[in-house]
Amino acid sequence: DGGITQSPKYLFRKEGQNVTLSCEQNLNHDAMYWYRQDPGQGLRLIYYSQIVNDFQKGDIAEGYSVSREKKESFPLTVTSAQKNPTAFYLCASSIRETAYSNQPQHFGDGTRLSIL
Amino acid sequence: SQQGEEDPQALSIQEGENATMNCSYKTSINNLQWYRQNSGRGLVHLILIRSNEREKHSGRLRVTLDTSKKSSSLLITASRAADTASYFCGWGYQKVTFGIGTKLQVIP
Repeated sequence: DGGITQSPKYLFRKEGQNVTLSCEQNLNHDAMYWYRQDPGQGLRLIYYSQIVNDFQKGDIAEGYSVSREKKESFPLTVTSAQKNPTAFYLCASSIRETAYSNQPQHFGDGTRLSIL
Repeated sequence: SQQGEEDPQALSIQEGENATMNCSYKTSINNLQWYRQNSGRGLVHLILIRSNEREKHSGRLRVTLDTSKKSSSLLITASRAADTASYFCGWGYQKVTFGIGTKLQVIP
């Protein structure tokens, strides 16, 4: 079955540590996204990528970094510069957006990150 | 903030009743989407309505869109316990902005 796999499901970070969240899709989608969800809030966009080797900052990119070396993979690194990283992180993918239309997104089941 | 609002933020109904959720957005759009999120899971796409459409149906779901008021509503008819979830609207052009969601509880 096609879908998006996020791992790990739970992750703990120590002070001053960088951690990387994995996101893999086998839907052959060009576009991929990372969102952060805090309790009682909607999703906020961290980074997105429309094509391999290219990505753009979203609304809350500070303290995060990404890479897009393969179409299937879009890992997110939460750096030590992100002072409040505790949240639920969701990865999504879609067929490529155009300038005039966004497309339905398929989501993984998330990674819950906590601070030790 | 470009986030809109959804109301109510929480809704509790009996099984078999209808549930209506509303979404207000702030920017111009070419389409608006509705998603469902079960607790601890990712979002699942439900329905997309284009800016030139006023109403769209999918099974027990009915979505309306009023671009003059920048608002949309999602109606779930004959609700079931399995409909218990949070529901989000999303809008935008190249990237989707999501509302804060409505948490629906359907009591068996």
